[in-house]
Amino acid sequence: AQTVTQSQPEMSVQEAETVTLSCTYDTSESDYYLFWYKQPPSRQMILVIRQEAYKQQNATENRFSVNFQKAAKSFSLKISDSQLGDAAMYFCAYKTSGSRLTFGEGTQLTVNP
Amino acid sequence: NAGVTQTPKFRVLKTGQSMTLLCAQDMNHEYMYWYRQDPGMGLRLIHYSVGEGTTAKGEVPDGYNVSRLKKQNFLLGLESAAPSQTSVYFCASSSWQGGLNTEAFFGQGTRLTVV
Repeated sequence: AQTVTQSQPEMSVQEAETVTLSCTYDTSESDYYLFWYKQPPSRQMILVIRQEAYKQQNATENRFSVNFQKAAKSFSLKISDSQLGDAAMYFCAYKTSGSRLTFGEGTQLTVNP
Repeated sequence: NAGVTQTPKFRVLKTGQSMTLLCAQDMNHEYMYWYRQDPGMGLRLIHYSVGEGTTAKGEVPDGYNVSRLKKQNFLLGLESAAPSQTSVYFCASSSWQGGLNTEAFFGQGTRLTVV
């Protein structure tokens, strides 16, 4: 069974600082996709960044980047220059080329001014 | 673009009542999903569909039924609601093709309370 684990229920960071959120997954598949979603208090699920497993290069989207370690099955999210608007629940997710999208438990990020 | 639309957004049910949640997407996506979100447990997959007329069980299917009679709609039914089904429900859709179309698009969520 596919599992996704986020070991940090809560994290906090000072505005303008950098924070890293952890995610590990378990799979026997060789071809899959990994995502980080953000859920602000509005409840809307917003895609932050995606990574294709076959790509060795780590994905980057402006202040958001990932550290993808395929052998270790690790997929961490780094947020640089943290802003107050980054405060939200962050979910790591895994999807095979087939269908199912599996989520981790989430990490609640607080940004302190 | 409407994207993924869920109705209703809020609902209070009495134990034993039934209801149907409707999910509609206008992106011609093949895959559709129903999740429930509970504190500390992330989003758990209830049922999903890989195409019109097909459905499959997810992690927590008990107490729910689904139907996908039209490609754009995915219905989630509760035949006899229980307090344990109090949750926030999300619908999502995605394309089956690889590459840049693999992300899932979500509805706004439905907060259901069973008393």
